[in-house]
Amino acid sequence: EAQVTQNPRYLITVTGKKLTVTCSQNMNHEYMSWYRQDPGLGLRQIYYSMNVEVTDKGDVPEGYKVSRKEKRNFPLILESPSPNQTSLYFCASRTTSGAYNSPLHFGNGTRLTVT
Amino acid sequence: AQTVTQSQPEMSVQEAETVTLSCTYDTSESDYYLFWYKQPPSRQMILVIRQEAYKQQNATENRFSVNFQKAAKSFSLKISDSQLGDAAMYFCAYRTLNAGGTSYGKLTFGQGTILTVHP
Repeated sequence: EAQVTQNPRYLITVTGKKLTVTCSQNMNHEYMSWYRQDPGLGLRQIYYSMNVEVTDKGDVPEGYKVSRKEKRNFPLILESPSPNQTSLYFCASRTTSGAYNSPLHFGNGTRLTVT
Repeated sequence: AQTVTQSQPEMSVQEAETVTLSCTYDTSESDYYLFWYKQPPSRQMILVIRQEAYKQQNATENRFSVNFQKAAKSFSLKISDSQLGDAAMYFCAYRTLNAGGTSYGKLTFGQGTILTVHP
């Protein structure tokens, strides 16, 4: 089954404790991206990657890191989480070949709470 | 930068009735894509319908249709014969057509509209 898999689904941590949210897709998609969802703000892009070893900042990159060492994986790293990073996080991917209007495929989200 | 506005934080509809969710956007581009996503309580993001700006014909997917008014920069979603399973948060989103630049592939989302369906 074609899918984007995020782990964990729920995560509670304390301020300053480094964490990683994993994201993997099995569709051979070139493009991958991370979003955060906050009430009243919709979803906002954190980082994106056009392909292996190619990443760039989105609209709200502060406090986050990403890496793209393999095509299928795009982990989101919070080196020193703070309470304002409490949010719902989504990983998404899509192909950049073929139909240009190909939609984003989303993972099931990670609910992060930083105390 | 593009912005997307959903001015209705919440909407409600009776089962089997029709409801329209509003979305407006601001852009200086002439070609782009517009999407409606549904997010049920399971948190999954589900693509409902998409519209290419260069197409004048409004997109339709079964009970879901859009009213795309390019000059007015409006992209509303109409749900006909509403069902209990339609209850969800609905997001309107914009994506640039341009292949280059920092906005490539990025979806710009509205704030979302919570739809309640009453039996």
